[in-house]
Amino acid sequence: ETGVTQTPRHLVMGMTNKKSLKCEQHLGHNAMYWYKQSAKKPLELMFVYNFKEQTENNSVPSRFSPECPNSSHLFLHLHTLQPEDSALYLCASSQDFVDSGNTIYFGEGSWLTVV
Amino acid sequence: GQNIDQPTEMTATEGAIVQINCTYQTSGFNGLFWYQQHAGEAPTFLSYNVLDGLEEKGRFSSFLSRSKGYSYLLLKELQMKDSASYLCAALDSNYQLIWGAGTKLIIKP
Repeated sequence: ETGVTQTPRHLVMGMTNKKSLKCEQHLGHNAMYWYKQSAKKPLELMFVYNFKEQTENNSVPSRFSPECPNSSHLFLHLHTLQPEDSALYLCASSQDFVDSGNTIYFGEGSWLTVV
Repeated sequence: GQNIDQPTEMTATEGAIVQINCTYQTSGFNGLFWYQQHAGEAPTFLSYNVLDGLEEKGRFSSFLSRSKGYSYLLLKELQMKDSASYLCAALDSNYQLIWGAGTKLIIKP
């Protein structure tokens, strides 16, 4: 139990579906992140929220849409995805935006398969 | 460009010692993290180094050489439960985490 909970753990969706991934952190942190993890590739940072404000959007396609209603919850809305979007999506949080020594805590991830 | 290199896979024997290397090239440097990730689970924090030298935490130690852009994670008295992927990540001058692809460590009896 890392204090970061993600649902669903597994999701299979068609290319025309709309679904959402949910993340909740119970650590009182101010920063939350979405990462994409594909096999044998480095973690890709998708979105960063610091104090509920989005601070990073690393050229992520618009078919991924984040939402951060408060500092404890983060969503990733998915729409018209492609098969290459199949991956593990990790949510993470840290006390503040990562700086020297600030540790990131990860959730266990949502396995997404696009068919 | 910014880059992290670490071996894709390593195999070691239970009870032995293994060293997982990581080299980094980043725009500026504000420290290096090691994370452990068991299959199907969340990555969990192992260590953070920002100064040169070796830091020991029980069976795990992490070393950093800033001048060489090099770090290693040393695992002693290996146990079967140490079978996992080990992720190296460097913090650049903009406090962006640059991640390696991870090293899958297989422990054999």
